[in-house]
Amino acid sequence: QKEVEQNSGPLSVPEGAIASLNCTYSDRGSQSFFWYRQYSGKSPELIMFIYSNGDKEDGRFTAQLNKASQYVSLLIRDSQPSDSATYLCAVRSGSGYALNFGKGTSLLVTP
Amino acid sequence: ETGVTQSPTHLIKTRGQQVTLRCSSQSGHNTVSWYQQALGQGPQFIFQYYREEENGRGNFPPRFSGLQFPNYSSELNVNALELDDSALYLCASSSSPGLGSYEQYFGPGTRLTVT
Repeated sequence: QKEVEQNSGPLSVPEGAIASLNCTYSDRGSQSFFWYRQYSGKSPELIMFIYSNGDKEDGRFTAQLNKASQYVSLLIRDSQPSDSATYLCAVRSGSGYALNFGKGTSLLVTP
Repeated sequence: ETGVTQSPTHLIKTRGQQVTLRCSSQSGHNTVSWYQQALGQGPQFIFQYYREEENGRGNFPPRFSGLQFPNYSSELNVNALELDDSALYLCASSSSPGLGSYEQYFGPGTRLTVT
């Protein structure tokens, strides 16, 4: 069973702080890694993807990948109340095209 | 907005009935994947369609079936509905598998309630 693990939270951070979301995966053959944001009652929205070890930055978001340790993280700088949502980590194995999702981490940014 | 559309938005069915959900992919995308998301869980992969053929399937029984049409739109059919089928059904579109671009973009989903 290929597993993707996330802390369910809630993770509470004050406005303006850095939110750090973590994800571990079990399949060493995993090739592609994605972060989705899901507001309550809405569908997941793709916010970041990363394929190579290291950091990838896009605006206030930074995705970090460490394949040797099998973890991927998402940093949100200058967190805003509008960032309050569930963040889903998704992993694609090397053998297929399906995305394997974690259960998500609930983030609450307090004013 | 991703350009992926789904219909209907909400649906209420009775146990044992059959349901068809529809999805139109984003312009330029020819691959459609379906996911089931139960409350409080991450999406679970049902299957993927590429060039009108099933291109991978998750751990779902045969009563979950699908189609893809020449215009790349897709249908998900569920027969003999069970109470546990109540969930948000998500369609995701992407470009051709194998071209190195694996990003999947979700539609708004169909909320299915089975009573």
